[in-house]
Amino acid sequence: GIQVEQSPPDLILQEGANSTLRCNFSDSVNNLQWFHQNPWGQLINLFYIPSGTKQNGRLSATTVATERYSLLYISSSQTTDSGVYFCAVAGNNNDMRFGAGTRLTVKP
Amino acid sequence: GAVVSQHPSRVICKSGTSVKIECRSLDFQATTMFWYRQFPKQSLMLMATSNEGSKATYEQGVEKDKFLINHASLTLSTLTVTSAHPEDSSFYICSAPMSRWETQYFGPGTRLLVL
Repeated sequence: GIQVEQSPPDLILQEGANSTLRCNFSDSVNNLQWFHQNPWGQLINLFYIPSGTKQNGRLSATTVATERYSLLYISSSQTTDSGVYFCAVAGNNNDMRFGAGTRLTVKP
Repeated sequence: GAVVSQHPSRVICKSGTSVKIECRSLDFQATTMFWYRQFPKQSLMLMATSNEGSKATYEQGVEKDKFLINHASLTLSTLTVTSAHPEDSSFYICSAPMSRWETQYFGPGTRLLVL
């Protein structure tokens, strides 16, 4: 199956700082999504982005499918951005494979 | 937007009992749904693919006789943890795509604690 690697595993920021989270995947994909998992476990869908660039407020994402990576940018981070960010991809079977996640802590 | 619900959100049971978890797509039909398990501080691991009208397909290492999956209709899949043991305690999450290669929608999860 497709392997997904996320980096860094942990990230600590001061409020207001910017950050970049990376997701590498081992094969071509038909689906790539970024999620934020809140403290109650709910996966909040941030982006559906198998290719290209999207922006939503302070968040943006870019996927370069030919080079098999995706980046999630968080600008002007806030304490409420803290949590775990997952990248998940799906190949032909539509079954999503998750990376290990990046645990983000934003300090006031 | 599309919503996937799960019931119950939390369940505590005694060792040896069976627990059923429901996953529903609320405003779309899903011929395929997926079941994941997440242990504390870990990522989500795919357990099985639930197929409407046919048998579920399980990931390697997942016991099909222990985790029974039934895709009863185009909007409902159930996961039954049979003869649950404390090591089955985990967070179970389902997902459903609205259509192939579209965004997958995830349920809020079910937290299972087996005593």
